[in-house]
Amino acid sequence: GQSLEQPSEVTAVEGAIVQINCTYQTSGFYGLSWYQQHDGGAPTFLSYNALDGLEETGRFSSFLSRSDSYGYLLLQELQMKDSASYFCAVRDEAMFSGGYNKLIFGAGTRLAVHP
Amino acid sequence: EAGVAQSPRYKIIEKRQSVAFWCNPISGHATLYWYQQILGQGPKLLIQFQNNGVVDDSQLPKDRFSAERLKGVDSTLKIQPAKLEDSAVYLCASSFYQTSYEQYFGPGTRLTVT
Repeated sequence: GQSLEQPSEVTAVEGAIVQINCTYQTSGFYGLSWYQQHDGGAPTFLSYNALDGLEETGRFSSFLSRSDSYGYLLLQELQMKDSASYFCAVRDEAMFSGGYNKLIFGAGTRLAVHP
Repeated sequence: EAGVAQSPRYKIIEKRQSVAFWCNPISGHATLYWYQQILGQGPKLLIQFQNNGVVDDSQLPKDRFSAERLKGVDSTLKIQPAKLEDSAVYLCASSFYQTSYEQYFGPGTRLTVT
């Protein structure tokens, strides 16, 4: 089967650092993506890791360990606008139909940032 | 650059009725996806198009759901007849290539089936 696990809720204060973990068990793995979704809004792409290690994009960083089937999203200098749901998603590359990839999403982590 | 457009934004129907959603992807994006997002869950892929061909519809309930992407641009997702459990947000996304790792999502259509 395919499963991704991430905490359902995380709470933090402005200016703090928060880490959202994601463990996955999928039949195929090509990379791990992170998406942000505000209430009533569209998911927006944050980061992608195909190789082990840390990727940094401004206040957000994402880490992947393929051997541990584990990744995390690190949010620094939290702001109120970071209150949203964060989804990890595995890119599962199928080898038929000419090869294509599909995203398998976790259930999401709801981050609440307080003053 | 204009984003992914979807309409309507909201729809309320009674069970056993039919409904259709429309999506216009970002210009030049060959790959189009329809996702279903039930409240409190992550998006679940229903169908994926490459140009006007279907590359994955393994999770599409084909007895009631249908989708098409004529001319490889706009797409329509239809539900007929609707069930209570179809209440969800239906998200359309697009990407430049079928192997692109970044997908661009539209605002979604929130469907309520009563």
